[in-house]
Amino acid sequence: AQKITQTQPGMFVQEKEAVTLDCTYDTSDPSYGLFWYKQPSSGEMIFLIYQGSYDQQNATEGRYSLNFQKARKSANLVISASQLGDSAMYFCAMSRMEYGNKLVFGAGTILRVKS
Amino acid sequence: EAQVTQNPRYLITVTGKKLTVTCSQNMNHEYMSWYRQDPGLGLRQIYYSMNVEVTDKGDVPEGYKVSRKEKRNFPLILESPSPNQTSLYFCASSLSDNMNTEAFFGQGTRLTVV
Repeated sequence: AQKITQTQPGMFVQEKEAVTLDCTYDTSDPSYGLFWYKQPSSGEMIFLIYQGSYDQQNATEGRYSLNFQKARKSANLVISASQLGDSAMYFCAMSRMEYGNKLVFGAGTILRVKS
Repeated sequence: EAQVTQNPRYLITVTGKKLTVTCSQNMNHEYMSWYRQDPGLGLRQIYYSMNVEVTDKGDVPEGYKVSRKEKRNFPLILESPSPNQTSLYFCASSLSDNMNTEAFFGQGTRLTVV
């Protein structure tokens, strides 16, 4: 069964510093996708970044980058130059070709940015 | 504006009283699904639909029903709610069933069953 593990229940970061949120996954499927979503206190789910298992380059979207280490089965989210508005819950999720667009989520990491 | 709309946002109900949470998307997406979010468990898929009249179970379907009579709507039905269905519910839609397609989420419905 596929599984997503986020080992950090909560993280603090100083404003303007970079922070890495950990995500490891477990699948034997060679074709899969990895997503990160942000959930602010208002509750909505906001898509941040996507990495495909066959993508050669690490994905980047503005201040977000995904540190994809396929052999270690990790897909850590790096947020550069943290802002107060980055305080939120962050979820890592995986899709597999066999199951189409179904997402399996980790438990999430709460990030707090300090001023 | 492209969006997924759920109603209601908040609902408190009593055990056994049938309820429906509506979900509508205006992006002509084919794939729609329902998730529930519980602390420490992340989001888990309840049901999904790949197109009109095509629905199937996700990982936690017990106690729920869905229907997809029109492409834009995908209501979640709880025939006889129980307290263990107290949760935060999300409807999501995506352009296709492809694994690399971004899912768009509704605002969430916080359900409390007493």
